Amino acid sequence: AQSVTQLDSQVPVFEEAPVELRCNYSSSVSVYLFWYVQYPNQGLQLLLKYLSGSTLVKGINGFEAEFNKSQTSFHLRKPSVHISDTAEYFCAVSLSGGSNYKLTFGKGTLLTVNP
Amino acid sequence: ETGVTQSPTHLIKTRGQQVTLRCSSQSGHNTVSWYQQALGQGPQFIFQYYREEENGRGNFPPRFSGLQFPNYSSELNVNALELDDSALYLCASSLIGEKLFFGSGTQLSVL
Repeated sequence: AQSVTQLDSQVPVFEEAPVELRCNYSSSVSVYLFWYVQYPNQGLQLLLKYLSGSTLVKGINGFEAEFNKSQTSFHLRKPSVHISDTAEYFCAVSLSGGSNYKLTFGKGTLLTVNP
Repeated sequence: ETGVTQSPTHLIKTRGQQVTLRCSSQSGHNTVSWYQQALGQGPQFIFQYYREEENGRGNFPPRFSGLQFPNYSSELNVNALELDDSALYLCASSLIGEKLFFGSGTQLSVL
């Protein structure tokens, strides 16, 4: 079975500062990797995903993530954050291949951007 | 706006009761997945339906059941509610194997 560990439950940063949200995963087979964002009182929105190919993945809203197979990590980064980036961020994995798109999520990281 | 709508948005039930949550999929999507998100936790996969058949199930007891209708809308039913069932229930629709589009969820409180 696969699992996801988000190393920080809360990350406070100042506006226009860079940010990195850390994610490590565990799986004995190949996986797909995802980052989702959840704004208050809303559902989840896909930021980016890694399926195969280039290990640097660019997503929406200026976010990017790098897949590191040797370290089993998929950290999310943004060079300059805005107040509007304040939200809960979830890292998730699913088994690669097959039609079942079951996602296993981490517990989330609350990003708070302060003025 | 994802096009996935869930109803009701909030619900309060008593332990032992039964509840039905509803989800209207985005137009054209043939797959619906349900997730449970407890307070302070990430979403947990309950099950997925594809063309009206269950297509995978997470570690949830049989009192969690579902239906998918020919128009691809869906229901999540929970029998014999327990206090720990209090959570945000998220529905996500997609084409099979494709990106999930999540609704805003139903917040269920069990007293």
